[in-house]
Formats: sequence, C-alpha cells, structure tokens
Amino acid sequence: AQSVTQLGSHVSVSEGALVLLRCNYSSSVPPYLFWYVQYPNQGLQLLLKYTSAATLVKGINGFEAEFKKSETSFHLTKPSAHMSDAAEYFCAVSRGSGNTGKLIFGQGTTLQVKP
Amino acid sequence: DTGVSQDPRHKITKRGQNVTFRCDPISEHNRLYWYRQTLGQGPEFLTYFQNEAQLEKSRLLSNRFSAERPKGSFSTLEIQRTEQGDSAMYLCASRSNQGDTDTQYFGPGTRLTVL
Repeated sequence: AQSVTQLGSHVSVSEGALVLLRCNYSSSVPPYLFWYVQYPNQGLQLLLKYTSAATLVKGINGFEAEFKKSETSFHLTKPSAHMSDAAEYFCAVSRGSGNTGKLIFGQGTTLQVKP
Repeated sequence: DTGVSQDPRHKITKRGQNVTFRCDPISEHNRLYWYRQTLGQGPEFLTYFQNEAQLEKSRLLSNRFSAERPKGSFSTLEIQRTEQGDSAMYLCASRSNQGDTDTQYFGPGTRLTVL
C-alpha cells in the first residue's frame, strides 16, 4: 500500500522568506510523486512531479522539490515566498502510469504568507 | 485544450434526494478519475475509467454511488438517497495515454451540500 504524510497542516512565512513544505511517502514500489496546489473553491493544479528521472525537480512559479529515496521524502521548497503563494498544497503518490495511476494524497498543508 | 470541466459547480440538495454530476475531460484523454474531498482533507480516490471501462472502484464507493462513461468521453457520477455525510467536493481528473502520460488534470469540482 502507498501513503503520504505531510508534516504540518499549517505553515506561515513572511513574504520573501524561504518556503519549505514537508512530504514523506511510503511505497512498496518505485513511486511517482506529485505536488499540487489548490486555491479556494478551485480544482488542483500541478506544481511539479517526479517520475524516476532527475531527483531535483523544478516546477512552476519558482517551486522545486528533491526526491530522497533514503529519507522517503519529497519536500517542496521556494526560495522567496510571494503573497500569491498562499494556498493549500497537496503531496501525492502513485504507482506510475503503467498502473491505474490513481493518486494517494496527503492531508494538505495550508501556506499563509504574511506581508 | 479547454481543460476539464464539471457541472454543476455547486449543488444543494435535501437528504434522500438523488443527484448527478457531469465531468467533461480534456478531449482525447482516455483515462478519467473521480475523487472526493471533504473539508480539511486531501482528495480520496473513488473510481477510474479507461475509455468506457470502469477498471477500479474504491471501497468508499458505496452501492448508493454509480459512475458511468458510456462513450468513453464525458462521465457522470450519481449519488442515490443522499446522506449528510456525502457533503463534499467531487473532483474529476483526466489523463492522456500519449505524450505526458503521468499528469492528471483536474476540473474545478462540484461542491455538494446535503441538508
């Protein structure tokens, strides 16, 4: 079975500060890992994904994440937070495109950006 | 691509009534998913279609729930005899079998409120 744990349901940073959102996964097979962002009353938008290529993945809006197999982690970072980054962030795992590809999500982290 | 669309965006119903939601995936995406998201939680997988075939259903999908994708294009999710516990956001996502085969693209969701 696969699972995802997001450490910290709420993270608050000042504008311009480093953003770090933590995600740990459990998977019995090589995982595919994703970060999605959700703004209020909207669907999910893909930020970035790891699918067994480069371990450091760059995404949209200046976000990046590093896949660390030894730590079973896929933390999301951004060097400098912007007010528009305030949203809900979800980490998800799947078994890869060869299977059904269903996503298993973490519980989410709400990012607050203070001026 | 016009993106994944869902209709209606909001639905308020009384307990015991039946409701039906529609999802139109990105054109030519042969894979379609339904997820349910309750307040403060990450989305949970409900069911998966490849073309018109329903290949996987979650145990969350009780016998009051039924999903169809009759021509391999749009899909419907019906909930019979709604209960207050069915109140949630219902998300649809689609995925291609060509090119970017790993990414699920989400619609804006249908928010269901059962009174």
